[in-house]
Amino acid sequence: DTAVSQTPKYLVTQMGNDKSIKCEQNLGHDTMYWYKQDSKKFLKIMFSYNNKELIINETVPNRFSPKSPDKAHLNLHINSLELGDSAVYFCASSPPDRDYGYTFGSGTRLTVV
Amino acid sequence: DQQVKQNSPSLSVQEGRISILNCDYTNSMFDYFLWYKKYPAEGPTFLISISSIKDKNEDGRFTVFLNKSAKHLSLHIVPSQPGDSAVYFCAASSRGAQKLVFGQGTRLTINP
Repeated sequence: DTAVSQTPKYLVTQMGNDKSIKCEQNLGHDTMYWYKQDSKKFLKIMFSYNNKELIINETVPNRFSPKSPDKAHLNLHINSLELGDSAVYFCASSPPDRDYGYTFGSGTRLTVV
Repeated sequence: DQQVKQNSPSLSVQEGRISILNCDYTNSMFDYFLWYKKYPAEGPTFLISISSIKDKNEDGRFTVFLNKSAKHLSLHIVPSQPGDSAVYFCAASSRGAQKLVFGQGTRLTINP
């Protein structure tokens, strides 16, 4: 039973399209995140949500809009996709205790053509 | 502004020997440090962590050392095994920040 699951795993789409990536966690964690791993392999925070409330928006373009319908789900919607959005997007969740780290999903590889 | 740096993009070690992965940070507000391991096409998985009140934490074959004055931490894996071949990310957080800041990763290859 996957702890943090994201769909789809691969997404190929044309510039200008709108797409969504879904994320669900069954760990009962209050906090969820979206991270982006770019072509240089850096993992950078995009958004952080705590109990459906936005905590961090790390200077991400407005074309990216996270939605958290409940604390177990954090979806990412991207409007007007650009070539530079091509990356691997990781969803993660964490408990309040920092000793247990974050649990990451397996990632969504987005390719914009 | 790269607050967490892993200056070695890759490291190759013989099976059975010690692997040492290094990480430097610049933000003195960081008080918690973690190592993650990542296989291709998978998400990072949590390996081991250390609080800034400690200078060493050990879990089986994995030991993390923290040198606060040098703003440096390292992960020691001994003995190294083929299954340890992966990309290792160092990460740091500060209390209340609710985010991890990652280094760019080091690809570890264990040779038989």
